[in-house]
Amino acid sequence: DTGVSQNPRHKITKRGQNVTFRCDPISEHNRLYWYRQTLGQGPEFLTYFQNEAQLEKSRLLSDRFSAERPKGSFSTLEIQRTEQGDSAMYLCASSSVPGQGEDTQYFGPGTRLTVL
Amino acid sequence: AQSVTQPDIHITVSEGASLELRCNYSYGATPYLFWYVQSPGQGLQLLLKYFSGDTLVQGIKGFEAEFKRSQSSFNLRKPSVHWSDAAEYFCAVGARSGGGADGLTFGKGTHLIIQP
Repeated sequence: DTGVSQNPRHKITKRGQNVTFRCDPISEHNRLYWYRQTLGQGPEFLTYFQNEAQLEKSRLLSDRFSAERPKGSFSTLEIQRTEQGDSAMYLCASSSVPGQGEDTQYFGPGTRLTVL
Repeated sequence: AQSVTQPDIHITVSEGASLELRCNYSYGATPYLFWYVQSPGQGLQLLLKYFSGDTLVQGIKGFEAEFKRSQSSFNLRKPSVHWSDAAEYFCAVGARSGGGADGLTFGKGTHLIIQP
């Protein structure tokens, strides 16, 4: 396994711009999760997919946020009309479910978003 | 809704001393429980997990944790800390769904400082 990868690692944008992040899960992992982590806090769940299907969305995921996983492999998270409050680390995780002891979410390095 | 409380924001321990990080959760059924570690600017690395069975679980880097249902706790322990253990530690709880966990709920973290 090459691990979960996320791109870009850092993104600086101006308020009002749209941004898109990409997550490549561990190969053959069928679940993919998005979290947001602000400074000094633990990660907060945003949404997750099982294959192509988006199974759960947090109330944190406002209408400006959209996530896709079109072919059940990589996923994108788009934020439209960014606000300064969107500045955070966006973490992606993947897992293989159902599994024998593999129901564990493995995290990527994150994308740090700064909105000016 | 589930929740996680990590009552200690910071803990300072001398190198070689023992360590216990506290975690209390709130969840209506038997949860999945996790401890993750995060170094500055990095993603989260899984230390250990509890799904079922033996309530004392062993993890990587010499860590262990004990699930106590009566106390709704999942405290992390290590008999002798090393300077490289300095990091942020997160406890997380997950609801069971289709053989795996839904989006995890994290505590706010405990910042571990190691004194020489």
